[in-house]
Amino acid sequence: DVKVTQSSRYLVKRTGEKVFLECVQDMDHENMFWYRQDPGLGLRLIYFSYDVKMKEKGDIPEGYSVSREKKERFSLILESASTNQTSMYLCASITGGSAEQYFGPGTRLTVT
Amino acid sequence: GENVEQHPSTLSVQEGDSAVIKCTYSDSASNYFPWYKQELGKGPQLIIDIRSNVGEKKDQRIAVTLNKTAKHFSLHITETQPEDSAVYFCAASREYGNKLVFGAGTILRVKS
Repeated sequence: DVKVTQSSRYLVKRTGEKVFLECVQDMDHENMFWYRQDPGLGLRLIYFSYDVKMKEKGDIPEGYSVSREKKERFSLILESASTNQTSMYLCASITGGSAEQYFGPGTRLTVT
Repeated sequence: GENVEQHPSTLSVQEGDSAVIKCTYSDSASNYFPWYKQELGKGPQLIIDIRSNVGEKKDQRIAVTLNKTAKHFSLHITETQPEDSAVYFCAASREYGNKLVFGAGTILRVKS
């Protein structure tokens, strides 16, 4: 049974803080994704990774960076958090050649 | 790039009735169209998908139809039950298993 876990369900940070969101999958999936989910906007892709140390920008990468040092772990970094980054963040993984993206439960981040 | 529009944004139906959610896409090169269901407090989960070489696919009470010429696809849920209440997202992709572009989501409420 595929499991994608995210480090926190709820997180409150102050403007200007550096924020790390961690995602771990236990199924040896090659591809991992970070999305943010906002009401009325659906899920928007921030960054994705096809392999260790590889990353590609998604549709809304501004203000974010990522790190993938190990295959099972994909981190999203907010270098200097801003209030417009208050959102639900979802991590997903998929194995190459497969169809279904497996999502974690999400981290609701509030930046005050 | 790809743009996916989803309607309606909210849908209320009586238990036992049918529900239909519609999506349109802009990129004629898209060839994979999944539907995800997100229950409260959880990440989205794949419920059904269709590839561009197929016009319709059914799985018990759920069906998806695809019109490539018009570039739209729809989710049909028959005999709705209270446990069908959730947020539903359509998505499109150029490549099976690759990054997805999601619609804005539909909140489905099934009233008992």
